[in-house]
Amino acid sequence: GQNIDQPTEMTATEGAIVQINCTYQTSGFNGLFWYQQHAGEAPTFLSYNVLDGLEEKGRFSSFLSRSKGYSYLLLKELQMKDSASYLCAALNDYKLSFGAGTTVTVRA
Amino acid sequence: DSGVTQTPKHLITATGQRVTLRCSPRSGDLSVYWYQQSLDQGLQFLIQYYNGEERAKGNILERFSAQQFPDLHSELNLSSLELGDSALYFCASSQSRDRPSSYNSPLHFGNGTRLTVT
Repeated sequence: GQNIDQPTEMTATEGAIVQINCTYQTSGFNGLFWYQQHAGEAPTFLSYNVLDGLEEKGRFSSFLSRSKGYSYLLLKELQMKDSASYLCAALNDYKLSFGAGTTVTVRA
Repeated sequence: DSGVTQTPKHLITATGQRVTLRCSPRSGDLSVYWYQQSLDQGLQFLIQYYNGEERAKGNILERFSAQQFPDLHSELNLSSLELGDSALYFCASSQSRDRPSSYNSPLHFGNGTRLTVT
């Protein structure tokens, strides 16, 4: 099975930076995804890491350390529209298993 | 818009009943995945189909079943419904046969069907 842990909630101020950590334990690891989900809506793909290191995509960056079973999603220059749940998901062979999600609240 | 279509958007039914949720994948995607999302849990993987065949199974109850048709749309059948089955059910699709992977073949989710069992 897979065990994916991420914080339940985080709060930050508009324009600030927030880092969402994710730890995972899985066999047959094949990559780590981050998704954004606004309340009541579909999750949308943000990033994918399979090799160690940092992947940058505009205001969002994602980091992976396979040896530590650790990833983080970095959100820079926070905007109000970034208030959402951020889901960490580990890929194991055919199955993409999700964490419970981190609810990020951006305050003015 | 992800290109994945799910119907109906909302479904309210009584315990013991049976319902069918429908999903049309993005054009060109051959894999369809079903997920359940309850309030107190994250997205739980139920089952995957690729080009009409079952490819992988997650924590799907025996009361639940799914299939993928020749036109690639999929249906998730939930029977003998219980209060605990109330949840958002998401369908997702990808191009990949074996697994969702990389930047060009992530999972694309539909808007979900909200099932309420009373």
